[in-house]
Amino acid sequence: EPEVTQTPSHQVTQMGQEVILRCVPISNHLYFYWYRQILGQKVEFLVSFYNNEISEKSEIFDDQFSVERPDGSNFTLKIRSTKLEDSAMYFCASSERGLLNSPLHFGNGTRLTVT
Amino acid sequence: GQQLNQSPQSMFIQEGEDVSMNCTSSSIFNTWLWYKQDPGEGPVLLIALYKAGELTSNGRLTAQFGITRKDSFLNISASIPSDVGIYFCAGPIPLLNTGGFKTIFGAGTRLFVKA
Repeated sequence: EPEVTQTPSHQVTQMGQEVILRCVPISNHLYFYWYRQILGQKVEFLVSFYNNEISEKSEIFDDQFSVERPDGSNFTLKIRSTKLEDSAMYFCASSERGLLNSPLHFGNGTRLTVT
Repeated sequence: GQQLNQSPQSMFIQEGEDVSMNCTSSSIFNTWLWYKQDPGEGPVLLIALYKAGELTSNGRLTAQFGITRKDSFLNISASIPSDVGIYFCAGPIPLLNTGGFKTIFGAGTRLFVKA
């Protein structure tokens, strides 16, 4: 069964550094998302992306965050200058269509640790 | 904004027992989703519910979409050790600009199964 793949599985970085988290969504999916899960807490929506542009972003997704689909397969999340509170699991997800009957499929996440 | 409230927060049960957990919202959802998250992995879709009153099974799992469209429950029968994990309810919220959806999650029910 096709799956969403994320790399790296674990990223350790120093505060103030830039990180890029990478995702390869399922190939025929058109809607792409990033979610964040701080340890022990709920899965929080960050941003949705469709037709090469952001369709919605949450309050968490401030100017330090950006997303890009640089080619036909990758979908990246960049954090420009990481803060300690950015430490979390970051999940990429995709759905085939932006419809009610097209649920999200998640990758296994990147654990970001900011020191 | 719309929120999903899950209960209980955690459950400690004996192998073989049946489990029930639920999810409520103050506003209507047109789709309810149940995901399971194993440690260190992304959420995996268990059951999707699309019609009010719908009762759907997936193996030992059964979920129902409440008739008011403001609640759902998930039952697990004859629990086994690999049922351990976090169970999230989720629901899509329309994005007015693009016609797509973002999915929001409840805080999760942590299930512990003792062999």
